[in-house]
Amino acid sequence: AQKVTQAQTEISVVEKEDVTLDCVYETRDTTYYLFWYKQPPSGELVFLIRRNSFDEQNEISGRYSWNFQKSTSSFNFTITASQVVDSAVYFCALTSGGSYIPTFGRGTSLIVHP
Amino acid sequence: DTGVSQDPRHKITKRGQNVTFRCDPISEHNRLYWYRQTLGQGPEFLTYFQNEAQLEKSRLLSDRFSAERPKGSFSTLEIQRTEQGDSAMYLCASSLAGVRPGGEEQYFGPGTRLTVT
Repeated sequence: AQKVTQAQTEISVVEKEDVTLDCVYETRDTTYYLFWYKQPPSGELVFLIRRNSFDEQNEISGRYSWNFQKSTSSFNFTITASQVVDSAVYFCALTSGGSYIPTFGRGTSLIVHP
Repeated sequence: DTGVSQDPRHKITKRGQNVTFRCDPISEHNRLYWYRQTLGQGPEFLTYFQNEAQLEKSRLLSDRFSAERPKGSFSTLEIQRTEQGDSAMYLCASSLAGVRPGGEEQYFGPGTRLTVT
């Protein structure tokens, strides 16, 4: 069985603050993939990043960065200098064992105030 | 390509009626997925197709639900004898099979919001 936990239901920040969204996962498989998706108010989930279990290298893309730590089964997402346009629900997801079916967390709603 | 499209965007129906939703995936994508999302939850998998073959169905998919993907292009999801508990956002996604099973990112449509009164 696989599980994704996003313990933060809602985070509220003021523009330009840095914010980290937590994701903890569970799987018994040694081969797995982790994903982050963004769901803006329009409703369409947008793919942000994929990480496989054999690549623990952190990644930075503009104001976004991801910290993958197998030792703590976490794949956290940091937004630096947040902007109002970052307001959305962010989902962490996991596929494992060769399955094509992702398990999503419950999502973290990020509200960035001007 | 304009991405994944879904029709209708909103549907209000009375309990007991049948409804059908349509999804048009990105044209070159061979995998198509249906999810259900309720308020405060992540998408929950319902079923998926590879080309025209329906390869997996969730236990969430009761016998009132049926999905098709004729000719491996667009897909339809039908709910018969709708119940109030069926009220949710129904999301469609597509992906292109790659060399890494399970590693493909999915492209989502805007969803169909179903309200059963």
